[in-house]
Amino acid sequence: NAGVTQTPKFQVLKTGQSMTLQCAQDMNHEYMSWYRQDPGMGLRLIHYSVGAGITDQGEVPNGYNVSRSTTEDFPLRLLSAAPSQTSVYFCASRVGQGGTDTQYFGPGTRLTVL
Amino acid sequence: AQRVTQPEKLLSVFKGAPVELKCNYSYSGSPELFWYVQYSRQRLQLLLRHISRESIKGFTADLNKGETSFHLKKPFAQEEDSAMYYCAPPGPGGGNKLTFGTGTQLKVEL
Repeated sequence: NAGVTQTPKFQVLKTGQSMTLQCAQDMNHEYMSWYRQDPGMGLRLIHYSVGAGITDQGEVPNGYNVSRSTTEDFPLRLLSAAPSQTSVYFCASRVGQGGTDTQYFGPGTRLTVL
Repeated sequence: AQRVTQPEKLLSVFKGAPVELKCNYSYSGSPELFWYVQYSRQRLQLLLRHISRESIKGFTADLNKGETSFHLKKPFAQEEDSAMYYCAPPGPGGGNKLTFGTGTQLKVEL
């Protein structure tokens, strides 16, 4: 199993550009989520999904869109990038909605918005 | 709302010294808590969780409901323990909104 994969590893954008961060998992996990990691702020939940076709907002959803058309994929879209979105983005998945399940994380995407 | 507090951004200890990484939570229900770790240049991974009462890499964490704490402890720090540690309780609704503390950077010095 590849686990949770993310592409790209690094990305530099100009303000106003759009892009999609890709996330995929091959563990047949129902639950997937996106976090951003910023110094002093820890990990903050952006969006999550409890299954194909179902998404919901986390703590910091503004400026990001998600969709979940398949169990495997959970892309994160930045429609108009802003410098405040400079961060490291992590995708995670787990088996189900249970609070006792382990989350598996991807390697992260380091995004810089100029 | 569910809140987690990790009061120390940076904790520096000498090799062989005891380690305690603090985590306090606010949660009205019965909490299920986790500790995740991120070693340098690696992805986040689960270190341990309250429900399994495990000891992983010498670390333990006891849930203290009276103090609403879930501190991570290790009696003798090793150099390879240097990493970023996150405390994580589930959010409301059975864990859909897994939130994290702000993290504590542990540095073990020789």
